[in-house]
Amino acid sequence: NAGVTQTPKFRVLKTGQSMTLLCAQDMNHEYMYWYRQDPGMGLRLIHYSVGEGTTAKGEVPDGYNVSRLKKQNFLLGLESAAPSQTSVYFCASSYWGQGYEQYFGPGTRLTVT
Amino acid sequence: AQSVTQPDIHITVSEGASLELRCNYSYGATPYLFWYVQSPGQGLQLLLKYFSGDTLVQGIKGFEAEFKRSQSSFNLRKPSVHWSDAAEYFCAVSSFGNEKLTFGTGTRLTIIP
Repeated sequence: NAGVTQTPKFRVLKTGQSMTLLCAQDMNHEYMYWYRQDPGMGLRLIHYSVGEGTTAKGEVPDGYNVSRLKKQNFLLGLESAAPSQTSVYFCASSYWGQGYEQYFGPGTRLTVT
Repeated sequence: AQSVTQPDIHITVSEGASLELRCNYSYGATPYLFWYVQSPGQGLQLLLKYFSGDTLVQGIKGFEAEFKRSQSSFNLRKPSVHWSDAAEYFCAVSSFGNEKLTFGTGTRLTIIP
């Protein structure tokens, strides 16, 4: 049982490049989330999903897209990376059973130059 | 809308001393409350949660927290801190029918010998 995994762990992009971050969970959770973490700002929700095939915007969705084609996977895409997207990205999953307690992945550190 | 305030950005405590980290939330209905810990370079790990029932909850690593509805607080406590407790601590809130967690901005804990 690996829990929540994220790929890759580190990435450096040039401005304008695109990339996809992959999140996978093996706990059969309905809900999945993408956050970004910046110093002094805590965690901010980018997008989330309440089930396979559904996604919704969070607090800071601009510049990002997501897809949830399979229940266990949640992809975060950057179509044209900007330096402002330099951050640490966390994926999480949850279920209703314990008040939407979220389980987090180890994070992806992204630098955009 | 629900919100969480962690008024202390940074706290320094001597090893062996007691600890209290403050968390205040704003929400009209019964909240579900969480404390997470993040060690440097790591993802977030759940310390404890209040879902229902006893307002004093015990967590991992010797931590506890008390839900006080009258004060809208969910403060985290530990009677004697260890050097390994140095980390960032996040309080979070959700509620029935709301699958999103709202996080505070975090409190960084430094332990001195």
